[in-house]
This record gives sequence, C-alpha cells and structure tokens, in this order.
Amino acid sequence: DIQMTQSPSSLSASVGDRVTITCRASQSITNYLAWYQQRPGKAPKLLIYAASLLQSGVPSRFSGSGSGTDFTLTINSLQPEDIATYYCQTYSSFRKTFGPGTKVDIK
Amino acid sequence: EVQLLESGGGLVPPGGSLRLSCAASGFSFNDYTMTWVRQAPGKGLQWVSTITAIGGATYYAASVRGRFTISRDTSKNTVYLQMNNVRAEDTAVYYCAKETQFYLIDYWGQGTLVSVSS
Repeated sequence: DIQMTQSPSSLSASVGDRVTITCRASQSITNYLAWYQQRPGKAPKLLIYAASLLQSGVPSRFSGSGSGTDFTLTINSLQPEDIATYYCQTYSSFRKTFGPGTKVDIK
Repeated sequence: EVQLLESGGGLVPPGGSLRLSCAASGFSFNDYTMTWVRQAPGKGLQWVSTITAIGGATYYAASVRGRFTISRDTSKNTVYLQMNNVRAEDTAVYYCAKETQFYLIDYWGQGTLVSVSS
C-alpha cells in the first residue's frame, strides 16, 4: 500500500506570510495528488487536484506543485480564514490514502 | 448545488450494529462513485469504503472488511453503510463523499458521529 507523509505536522505563521507544506508518497503516484482543507469542526474541502490544478472557487493564493513522490502546497499571503488542517491524498485507485495532516494557525 | 446529508449516527455498544445513510442531491447520483471516509476524534482522515456507479462494485479498507457493507439505492439517491460487530476503534465522524470519474473526492457531507461504547 502507498503511504503518505507530510511535513511539518504543524506550523504557526503571521498573516501575509507564505506557507509551504510538503507531502511525500512512498512510491510514485505520478500526479494523482489532492490537497484538502479542513477547518475546525467542518468537513474537508477540496483545494487542489492533479497536484497543481485549483478547484473552482478556491482562492488563487493556494497553489500546488510536484509529481512522482514529492509534492508541495503553498499558501501565498496567509489569511485568518486559512486556519485549518491540510491533508494531502493520493487517489490513484479506489483505495485512497491520506497524509497525517498539517495544522496551520496564526502566530 | 451538490448536497450530501448523512444520518444514522449515534451511540452503539461494542458488537452492535448501525446503518448510516447519505442522501444525495444536486447531481446525477447514478453516474458517480460514492465513498465513506471516517475521522476518529482528534485524528486524521481514513478511507472506509467505496461503491462504484456502474456495476456497484464495492471496496473496503482492511480494518472494516467483513464487518461493514456499503450499498446504494438509486431510487432514493442514497448510499448506505451498514456497520456490524462494531468496535471501540470504529468511533469516528463518518463522512459521505462524492467522487469524480477519476477516483477524486470532490464533495463531502457534513458528517455523522458514531460512538462505540458500553
């Protein structure tokens, strides 16, 4: 089974900062990589799919990159509403594997 | 607008049974694969089960295979998760989710909490 790791597990940043979260797959998943945002007490929300494509309605300060085994989610100019846990996920088959999550809060 | 409304959660004793329902609207239910994902308190997301649109093929995580059954009723636009012989480690919020044609989850319900305790 494919394993997903994320780093860091948590971070604190100031409003306006650029934030970068890394996700690594245990084997190549080409670009079958999605990023989800989960605000406290809410359901997850799709942000990025196919590693770098922005879901409709998601602010352009979110971006994704990478392929193969190494991926990155970047938040340009962190906003207070971005306080959330971010999960990467591979969807190369019916069996979906999520990363452990990165909790982002405001310094 | 896509809407997924879960119901059926609650307190159940170890070894008991529970059936979760997810009523879907805002899209052509018959055309899309549906999935259940769970989240234990304070933990991350875990895929539980998937049922395809065409043919109704089913898939399960190893931790629930043989105990949980996913099904769908196209006449009611509803997907179900029958949970039997539940264990304490099944305690979680269970989310119903819609997939695109390429295994990608694009919409989630609000979740329903299942608590397994005596």
